[in-house]
Amino acid sequence: QKEVEQDPGPLSVPEGAIVSLNCTYSNSAFQYFMWYRQYSRKGPELLMYTYSSGNKEDGRFTAQVDKSSKYISLFIRDSQPSDSATYLCAMSAGGADGLTFGKGTHLIIQP
Amino acid sequence: KAGVTQTPRYLIKTRGQQVTLSCSPISGHRSVSWYQQTPGQGLQFLFEYFSETQRNKGNFPGRFSGRQFSNSRSEMNVSTLELGDSALYLCASSWTSTGPDTQYFGPGTRLTVL
Repeated sequence: QKEVEQDPGPLSVPEGAIVSLNCTYSNSAFQYFMWYRQYSRKGPELLMYTYSSGNKEDGRFTAQVDKSSKYISLFIRDSQPSDSATYLCAMSAGGADGLTFGKGTHLIIQP
Repeated sequence: KAGVTQTPRYLIKTRGQQVTLSCSPISGHRSVSWYQQTPGQGLQFLFEYFSETQRNKGNFPGRFSGRQFSNSRSEMNVSTLELGDSALYLCASSWTSTGPDTQYFGPGTRLTVL
């Protein structure tokens, strides 16, 4: 079992829909959780950063972390075609540990 | 403020050769991490440097090495290239010395090994 599991998709939804992206993980030491967006042939761009459990909202994006279930989610409201990209979850135990990434979900927003 | 820059952006090498990739972090950032991204394995952590010291290393063979200079710029080297080393190599910089903080990624160097 990989440390971080993420459905690769593709996930295709119509413009304006609410998008739900998820990751599960097995390492209970993870306490920092991030979501990155990556456009084709570009580096990942940090979208959301959460420490420990709870919710965090930033504009149309909401990140949720449930450490008891080892499950994290990213919600995108009022999705736009420009949101079409690969979304990567990432997590870390902290210190000098590198980030452990999911393989990414390819999201397509249909106009 | 300028972002993370990586050079070169594209590189083609043949098996057995070696390659050096360069990364300039965001000004003021002292931590530099390197990642390999492939379609099959996704993004995998290579190593992290802070103040010229390697603090952590991922599960990669010794052919992969790196270093960091006093101005925080970093290089990674891959010796005796194999076909499987073809990948996008990403560099990320961050400010603090503890915790993952927020890592900012460069555009990557796409390496093709023939």
